[in-house]
Amino acid sequence: NAGVTQTPKFQVLKTGQSMTLQCAQDMNHNSMYWYRQDPGMGLRLIYYSASEGTTDKGEVPNGYNVSRLNKREFSLRLESAAPSQTSVYFCASRTGGPDEQFFGPGTRLTVL
Amino acid sequence: EDKVVQSPLSLVVHEGDTVTLNCSYEVTNFRSLLWYKQEKKAPTFLFMLTSSGIEKKSGRLSSILDKKELSSILNITATQTGDSAIYLCAAPSGANSKLTFGKGITLSVRP
Repeated sequence: NAGVTQTPKFQVLKTGQSMTLQCAQDMNHNSMYWYRQDPGMGLRLIYYSASEGTTDKGEVPNGYNVSRLNKREFSLRLESAAPSQTSVYFCASRTGGPDEQFFGPGTRLTVL
Repeated sequence: EDKVVQSPLSLVVHEGDTVTLNCSYEVTNFRSLLWYKQEKKAPTFLFMLTSSGIEKKSGRLSSILDKKELSSILNITATQTGDSAIYLCAAPSGANSKLTFGKGITLSVRP
């Protein structure tokens, strides 16, 4: 039981490049979330998916797109990366009941 | 707009000290408050508080919610260097439990 996994762990992009961050969970959770964490800012919600086939914007969605591929997988895409998207990205999942979310190990992204 | 504020933002103590970390919130239709510990990587869950005045305890860590004051505290007694971490509090909102996080408290425990 791996919990929530994320790939890659680290990535360096040039401004304007695109990439997809992958997230998968093996806990049969319904809801999945993408957060970004910047120094001194806590975690901020980018997008979330309440269930397979649905996605919704969070607090800071601009510049990102998401896909809930199936119940296990939720990907985050940067179409044209900008230096302001340099951050650590965390994926999380939650079963349908309690509010507790389980987090993946994070992806550290640097955009030059 | 929901808001979670933590204080202090950073704290340095010596091993054996007791620390109190604060979290206040303004959340529409409040139902729970969560505490997480973040070391190098992913935040790990510590406590979820739903009822005012009832202390949750795990070893040297304990937490309590005060709904009247819209706040919560996390206490750590007999601190150890392994307690050095960022402590995050968060409040869920809506049916989909979107979490609003505070900025986090960076705790450093010196030997």
